[in-house]
Amino acid sequence: DAGVTQTPRHEVAEKGQTIILKCEPVSGHNDLFWYRQTKIQGLELLSYFRSKSLMEDGGAFKDRFKAEMLNSSFSTLKIQPTEPKDSAVYLCASSSGTVNTLYFGAGTRLSVL
Amino acid sequence: QQKVQQSPESLIVPEGGMASLNCTSSDRNVDYFWWYRQHSGKSPKMLMSIFSNGEKEEGRFTVHLNKASLHTSLHIRDSQPSDSALYLCAASRGGSNAKLTFGKGTKLSVKS
Repeated sequence: DAGVTQTPRHEVAEKGQTIILKCEPVSGHNDLFWYRQTKIQGLELLSYFRSKSLMEDGGAFKDRFKAEMLNSSFSTLKIQPTEPKDSAVYLCASSSGTVNTLYFGAGTRLSVL
Repeated sequence: QQKVQQSPESLIVPEGGMASLNCTSSDRNVDYFWWYRQHSGKSPKMLMSIFSNGEKEEGRFTVHLNKASLHTSLHIRDSQPSDSALYLCAASRGGSNAKLTFGKGTKLSVKS
């Protein structure tokens, strides 16, 4: 089985641009998570979907971050407009159940100039 | 304030030595703990999980949990250069992934 696939691996954006990150979860997994990872804050939850329904929208990230899951095998994270402080690694993870292991993708490294 | 605190921030151990990593939650409602390992430039991968008081051993890795103090520790014996990575501790209530909180991690370097 394929793992979690994230594209692109690297993204460079100008301040104010809109960027869309993509994620394909492990086939059959019902839970999908978007995290942001920085050295200062560590891993922060952005969004959580269960069976395509948005369960958690990450509170503080609501205003410029929007995650969608149009079908069970594909999710997007849109950041609009981007700011330099958004520079980070964005990780997508999936799980087969609420108490099960998270499987992470390789991440997208975003640099906002 | 970070709800999951890990110490030390970084650790250097000689090859063949013992590495001990600590993690404490300030949320008294958590009762499930995971350890994830993230090699440089790679994604985190689950290493071990523990839900009951006591100890769990898998090969060179041993995890302890004290639920009363909400403290877990990870011990790596006979450390290898390939163990060099960022070790992330995560905690949740009732084992729910939706309420998983990660610590900032301990960076382990094993020197040969």
